[in-house]
Amino acid sequence: EAQVTQNPRYLITVTGKKLTVTCSQNMNHEYMSWYRQDPGLGLRQIYYSMNVEVTDKGDVPEGYKVSRKEKRNFPLILESPSPNQTSLYFCASSLGTMQYFGPGTRLTVL
Amino acid sequence: GQQLNQSPQSMFIQEGEDVSMNCTSSSIFNTWLWYKQEPGEGPVLLIALYKAGELTSNGRLTAQFGITRKDSFLNISASIPSDVGIYFCAGLDNQAGTALIFGKGTTLSVSS
Repeated sequence: EAQVTQNPRYLITVTGKKLTVTCSQNMNHEYMSWYRQDPGLGLRQIYYSMNVEVTDKGDVPEGYKVSRKEKRNFPLILESPSPNQTSLYFCASSLGTMQYFGPGTRLTVL
Repeated sequence: GQQLNQSPQSMFIQEGEDVSMNCTSSSIFNTWLWYKQEPGEGPVLLIALYKAGELTSNGRLTAQFGITRKDSFLNISASIPSDVGIYFCAGLDNQAGTALIFGKGTTLSVSS
């Protein structure tokens, strides 16, 4: 089954404790991206990657890092999480304009 | 950066009613997409539009790509309770890369 998976689905952590949210897709898509969704703000792109070893900043990249060492995986890294990064995060991969979203990771930073 | 204005922000309707929502942009897009997000899930693509003036249907859903390429609308006919969710428009300017620009969403509530 074609899908985008994210782990964990839910995470509660404390300020400053490094964390990684994994994202994996099995559709051999070159383009992958991360979004955060906040009430009243919709989906905002954090980072995207057009292919292996190619990553670029989206609209809200501050406080985040990504890596794309293999085509299928695109982890999101928060080196020092802060409470303003409490949000719902979505990974997506796409072939052309058809973008497929993962189920989301709800992150709470205390 | 580019922004999309999506309206209305929320809608409360009765089952059986038709629904209309739209997105406008100050800049031109080459592709318009409409997504639906249900609680606890990621957005799911409903309709993709690739040409100005294009009118596309998916069951009870109909979407149009505006002639000016700066707007799009989504209609839902004869709404049912499972239509509940957040509907997002998204635009893509191929010349600016492959990043989608999303509207802020329309939250639809349907009472039976």
